[in-house]
Amino acid sequence: GAGVSQSPRYKVAKRGQDVALRCDPISGHVSLFWYQQALGQGPEFLTYFQNEAQLDKSGLPSDRFFAERPEGSVSTLKIQRTQQEDSAVYLCAVLRGLNTEAFFGQGTRLTVV
Amino acid sequence: KNEVEQSPQNLTAQEGEFITINCSYSVGISALHWLQQHPGGGIVSLFMLSSGKKKHGRLIATINIQEKHSSLHITASHPRDSAVYICAVRLSEDMRFGAGTRLTVKP
Repeated sequence: GAGVSQSPRYKVAKRGQDVALRCDPISGHVSLFWYQQALGQGPEFLTYFQNEAQLDKSGLPSDRFFAERPEGSVSTLKIQRTQQEDSAVYLCAVLRGLNTEAFFGQGTRLTVV
Repeated sequence: KNEVEQSPQNLTAQEGEFITINCSYSVGISALHWLQQHPGGGIVSLFMLSSGKKKHGRLIATINIQEKHSSLHITASHPRDSAVYICAVRLSEDMRFGAGTRLTVKP
């Protein structure tokens, strides 16, 4: 959607492979969220950044999941030693600030085989 | 218990019918979004509400802050309205999502 670009759109990984998913917001979006959406489910919160600070990572399902946003703009979600249960769409959402509109990326569909 | 509950989970309607999707939440919020997700597509925000009612074309969204409840209405539904509709609540800077309502409108 307008305001945020995710890449790749689709990723097939072999079990055990590491993957990196990218979220690239247009400038000025202070808050950035990562969500995991399993097939037929609503998005589940993973982690949240305000600028470069990771303020909440309580949703990350295991220590194989790691997210960073070193310069407060582009964020990368890394999954190490992927498992089949990691197969999902990973969504990125951004906000400019309190009570402002939210923008969502198109998501990255990860399939672990 | 999920902080955001939506109903129904699935809804099938005939073209032209009036549709209502409900969202209840259990936490204090600063705003609520109604989102639309088409198959294979990204998510688009239809409305952001903090009180009252908003209307855009055939879509109407209402919120009752005291009752912690919001509804999305679609008047004169059309097959192109078929999508997943998701309620998301804003908790200060955070967001939480409902599981979504899958709407299918048949011609």
